[in-house]
Amino acid sequence: AAGVIQSPRHLIKEKRETATLKCYPIPRHDTVYWYQQGPGQDPQFLISFYEKMQSDKGSIPDRFSAQQFSDYHSELNMSSLELGDSALYFCASSLGSPRYEQYFGPGTRLTVT
Amino acid sequence: GNSVTQMEGPVTLSEEAFLTINCTYTATGYPSLFWYVQYPGEGLQLLLKATKADDKGSNKGFEATYRKETTSFHLEKGSVQVSDSAVYFCALHGSGNTGKLIFGQGTTLQVKP
Repeated sequence: AAGVIQSPRHLIKEKRETATLKCYPIPRHDTVYWYQQGPGQDPQFLISFYEKMQSDKGSIPDRFSAQQFSDYHSELNMSSLELGDSALYFCASSLGSPRYEQYFGPGTRLTVT
Repeated sequence: GNSVTQMEGPVTLSEEAFLTINCTYTATGYPSLFWYVQYPGEGLQLLLKATKADDKGSNKGFEATYRKETTSFHLEKGSVQVSDSAVYFCALHGSGNTGKLIFGQGTTLQVKP
């Protein structure tokens, strides 16, 4: 079965640079969630989209922005990167109702040097 | 707001031992409850879920029962294997109806042969 695809899997950037993370949800899934997991931490919700509209926002810095496109893939744009942005970034997708389970991608490991 | 508290790890067991990982939650309403597992270097995989009080989720020998009276969702397995070594996250839907997940801090399980 098709899973959530994230690219790139690994990314190394320098401070103050920008990064773009991409997420391709499971086919027919209309909802995308982004989470950030710091080293040894639990995943923290950043932002979500339903049918290409932002549906919820968590502790996402103003330096980050995201959107969901017409083909339902999503991109997380991160600017003015800081050392503290180094983390695993997960995308998850689900179909319709929030009560449906979320399926997670393998994550993008971002390292800021 | 909604929150999840898990027992601290790491938990170290011998193969075939009985496993319990405690999880309690604070929530308004009746959130769905989940257990996710994260193997080293991988993303989060849904292990099991329960959507209403007294529901029992089960998968791969793992079980958890949604106990509203004690606000708990403890994970159990009768006989663990070395391959069960991973980090286990208890989670629930955040407040509102957008489906974002609130995770506990994670419990590391190490099973020795």
